[in-house]
Amino acid sequence: DVKVTQSSRYLVKRTGEKVFLECVQDMDHENMFWYRQDPGLGLRLIYFSYDVKMKEKGDIPEGYSVSREKKERFSLILESASTNQTSMYLCASSLGILAGDYVDTQYFGPGTRLTVL
Amino acid sequence: GESVGLHLPTLSVQEGDNSIINCAYSNSASDYFIWYKQESGKGPQFIIDIRSNMDKRQGQRVTVLLNKTVKHLSLQIAATQPGDSAVYFCAEISMNYGGSQGNLIFGKGTKLSVKP
Repeated sequence: DVKVTQSSRYLVKRTGEKVFLECVQDMDHENMFWYRQDPGLGLRLIYFSYDVKMKEKGDIPEGYSVSREKKERFSLILESASTNQTSMYLCASSLGILAGDYVDTQYFGPGTRLTVL
Repeated sequence: GESVGLHLPTLSVQEGDNSIINCAYSNSASDYFIWYKQESGKGPQFIIDIRSNMDKRQGQRVTVLLNKTVKHLSLQIAATQPGDSAVYFCAEISMNYGGSQGNLIFGKGTKLSVKP
């Protein structure tokens, strides 16, 4: 089974702090994703990565950055946390093939609930 | 613009009844649709998918129907059980980000509650 783990289930930080959220997958997947999930807004894509050291902006990248130094690990960084970044953060990974008849299913971690005070 | 949404935010059904969760999408060019289930405190879990060249696909106790004419997707759960209580999301594959890769656009979710 695919396993996606996130470093923390719950995190409380203060405004202005630098925050690191870590995600690790154990299935040698090419693609990794970071989403935030808010009531009434669903899942929104922050950043994604198709390869080591590669990153692409999603729908809401402002205030975030990412790092992918190793294939299995994808980090989300809040350079200076703000209260509007209080949310559930979900990491996902997928095999990395999206062509023809193959559907590239994303597998999700359990999420990190971040509260910024 | 593209959007994927659900008609009802909550759905309450009696244990043993069938459940139908609906989803509307706006991008007629989308090729793939996926249903996810998210239980409380967990990440979304893949349930079933369907390609745009299909009208219906069945899994274990679940059936997904695709009506391309009205851009409507539904998830049917047979003999709903308490363990089916969760939030259900539909998602479509968007090719907005270029190349041969695509990304998912998620609907906002429907919360299914199963009454014993």
